[in-house]
Amino acid sequence: DAGVIQSPRHEVTEMGQEVTLRCKPISGHDYLFWYRQTMMRGLELLIYFNNNVPIDDSGMPEDRFSAKMPNASFSTLKIQPSEPRDSAVYFCASSPIGQRDTQYFGPGTRLTVL
Amino acid sequence: GENVEQHPSTLSVQEGDSAVIKCTYSDSASNYFPWYKQELGKGPQLIIDIRSNVGEKKDQRIAVTLNKTAKHFSLHITETQPEDSAVYFCAASKGADRGSTLGRLYFGRGTQLTVWP
Repeated sequence: DAGVIQSPRHEVTEMGQEVTLRCKPISGHDYLFWYRQTMMRGLELLIYFNNNVPIDDSGMPEDRFSAKMPNASFSTLKIQPSEPRDSAVYFCASSPIGQRDTQYFGPGTRLTVL
Repeated sequence: GENVEQHPSTLSVQEGDSAVIKCTYSDSASNYFPWYKQELGKGPQLIIDIRSNVGEKKDQRIAVTLNKTAKHFSLHITETQPEDSAVYFCAASKGADRGSTLGRLYFGRGTQLTVWP
């Protein structure tokens, strides 16, 4: 199995630009999670989906952040407009059917907003 | 929501020694406690987990213990090796049958473990 795939692995952008992060979950998994990791706040859950439907987006910091899951094999996290304080590592994770607490993380996207 | 605290934040041990990382949680309804290992430049990887109906679980050199009364759980690594060096995270969850927080993990702040050869 290829594991959770994220792209890009690194993204450097300027303040005000739109950023789109992408995730392909493990095939057959029905839960998908987006996390943000910073030194100050640790690992924070932003949003999660079940069967492509957003279940809990209470962790999304503000309206500049949005996430979609158009199908079972693809999800995006978009930041528009980006700000320097959005700089972090963003992880996508997925869980298999019947083991929804067991999350498998992708390698992450390191975002730097200048 | 749940609050998970993890100690110590850094831990240095000599190769072959044991390492212990401790976590406490606040929500007595939590019933699933995984541990993740994160190596530099990679995502967290699940290494062991325990559910509230079990007090201890072991997998080779790694063991986890759970005390539900005291609301704390610990990771024990025996015979440490340099490749055990990484950041370790504990987490807690109410699990799949607990309403709207289905599957939501609450993480500790992590412990940087360094094993010296």
